[in-house]
Amino acid sequence: DAGITQSPRYKITETGRQVTLMCHQTWSHSYMFWYRQDLGHGLRLIYYSAAADITDKGEVPDGYVVSRSKTENFPLTLESATRSQTSVYFCASSDRGSALGYFGAGTRLSVL
Amino acid sequence: AQKITQTQPGMFVQEKEAVTLDCTYDTSDPSYGLFWYKQPSSGEMIFLIYQGSYDQQNATEGRYSLNFQKARKSANLVISASQLGDSAMYFCAMRPLYSGAGSYQLTFGKGTKLSVIP
Repeated sequence: DAGITQSPRYKITETGRQVTLMCHQTWSHSYMFWYRQDLGHGLRLIYYSAAADITDKGEVPDGYVVSRSKTENFPLTLESATRSQTSVYFCASSDRGSALGYFGAGTRLSVL
Repeated sequence: AQKITQTQPGMFVQEKEAVTLDCTYDTSDPSYGLFWYKQPSSGEMIFLIYQGSYDQQNATEGRYSLNFQKARKSANLVISASQLGDSAMYFCAMRPLYSGAGSYQLTFGKGTKLSVIP
């Protein structure tokens, strides 16, 4: 399917466990992003990537790790999940020269 | 740094009436883009409308229009003829428009929850 796909859509885990959220886009967009959405905060940028093997921190990067070995994939890893990382996570992509960004459907993560 | 302020946590509107959702912004970038997204209860982020800071005319997309007042740094969303399906969270966002890795990330406001009353 064309577009941007996040998996899993829902995830429950325990504190201290490692969790990886997947993001895959079929457009070959240069830029990819991870945002988290929390009540009262809107969406906040965690990490972004301008191209394969180029990543940079956003507003709230602590506790997260990203990689981008291929243009189409941008996984987000919580190395040791904490309850404060319970949130809805959105992946997004944007093409170089385009004003618009496109969002995945989101992953709802609960850390118990 | 960029900042988006949405001062209305929640709003109600009668079906078929028009409603304005407020958005003010702050930026030092000379060129920027402004966006509105809709988030229904199902959770996905739906792009509604875009306005570039150098666009001379206000953007319109069907029942959505963006009332852009550059001097006042406001980018209000106007929804005409509200429908029950318009009940959702609405987010205002912006990004700078220049070439560079940091220019494609969006800064969001905290959102406004719109409820359309039959």
